[in-house]
Amino acid sequence: KAGVTQTPRYLIKTRGQQVTLSCSPISGHRSVSWYQQTPGQGLQFLFEYFSETQRNKGNFPGRFSGRQFSNSRSEMNVSTLELGDSALYLCASRSNPDQETQYFGPGTRLLVL
Amino acid sequence: GESVGLHLPTLSVQEGDNSIINCAYSNSASDYFIWYKQESGKGPQFIIDIRSNMDKRQGQRVTVLLNKTVKHLSLQIAATQPGDSAVYFCADGNSGGYNKLIFGAGTRLAVHP
Repeated sequence: KAGVTQTPRYLIKTRGQQVTLSCSPISGHRSVSWYQQTPGQGLQFLFEYFSETQRNKGNFPGRFSGRQFSNSRSEMNVSTLELGDSALYLCASRSNPDQETQYFGPGTRLLVL
Repeated sequence: GESVGLHLPTLSVQEGDNSIINCAYSNSASDYFIWYKQESGKGPQFIIDIRSNMDKRQGQRVTVLLNKTVKHLSLQIAATQPGDSAVYFCADGNSGGYNKLIFGAGTRLAVHP
């Protein structure tokens, strides 16, 4: 079974721009979570989607948003990029939110200049 | 708030030795923990998990120990190999609500020949 895939793998943007990242979960998994990983803050939860609905949200500003499609694929968007948004954005999937084990994709490395 | 912390940021071991990576958690109500391994340029990879009704769980060359009294868990890697070099994270699997993962800071394991 193919793992979680994320596109693009690397991205360079400038301050003020917006960016959209994509995640395709493991086949059959309907829950997708997003995490931000930085050297200073470590791995932090952004949000989780299940059945096209946001179920949980972390402590990030409203510039961070996401959505999920009927095929369980998910996108996250960051508007008005700031230098501090440079990070590795990780997507994790599981069959449903009641399943505790999450499986991660390789991440998208975002650099904001 | 909830937190999951690691005692050592870097652990250096000789190839063939056993490695022990420690982790402390703060939420006494937490009942599910996961260890992830993250290699350079990759997303976190599930290694092993443990529930609070267990004190010990073994996998292939790995053992996780859970001490609920002192809110501490450890990951033991037997006969450490160069391929074990990575950053290891412990995660609280469900104290964050909706089974949101709360990660520790990570420990870098460096295996020397």
